[in-house]
Amino acid sequence: QKEVEQDPGPLSVPEGAIVSLNCTYSNSAFQYFMWYRQYSRKGPELLMYTYSSGNKEDGRFTAQVDKSSKYISLFIRDSQPSDSATYLCAMKNFGNEKLTFGTGTRLTIIP
Amino acid sequence: NAGVTQTPKFQVLKTGQSMTLQCAQDMNHNSMYWYRQDPGMGLRLIYYSASEGTTDKGEVPNGYNVSRLNKREFSLRLESAAPSQTSVYFCASSEDRIWWKTGTEAFFGQGTRLTVV
Repeated sequence: QKEVEQDPGPLSVPEGAIVSLNCTYSNSAFQYFMWYRQYSRKGPELLMYTYSSGNKEDGRFTAQVDKSSKYISLFIRDSQPSDSATYLCAMKNFGNEKLTFGTGTRLTIIP
Repeated sequence: NAGVTQTPKFQVLKTGQSMTLQCAQDMNHNSMYWYRQDPGMGLRLIYYSASEGTTDKGEVPNGYNVSRLNKREFSLRLESAAPSQTSVYFCASSEDRIWWKTGTEAFFGQGTRLTVV
């Protein structure tokens, strides 16, 4: 079983819709949670960073972490065609260099 | 400001050939990393260099060697390429090795697409 599970999609939604992307994990030691956005043929770029449980909002993006359920989410409001990309969750525990990535969800926003 | 630059962008190798992937960053970062990205596997850490002069193995180091040439440059070498090393390779850098704790960003290059036939 993988430490981090992420539905690969693809996910297609109409412009303006709310998008929900999710990851589940099995390692209860994970404390640092990130979402990366990766455009086609590009490197990942950090979108959201959260420590421990709770919510974090940045513009149209909201990251949620539920450590009791080992579940993290990224919500995108008022989705735009420019949001079309692959979204990778990543997480880490304290004490080693390993950043464990999900496999990514490919998202397409339809104009 | 170029960020993290990787060369080459594409490469095809025959089994058994060797090559070096180059990475350079211009952000004065201390830590640098090499990842590979494979379908259905996500990104996996190959090697990292927490600071100039140090290198350490990551999750999948077998078949690779690295050199931290100076603070700017971190190269990845495949001594005898195998088809299992067909992948997209990403170099990344961060201000320090605890970037994940402080929430500062690790910046990725655009990747090198390597095919071993």
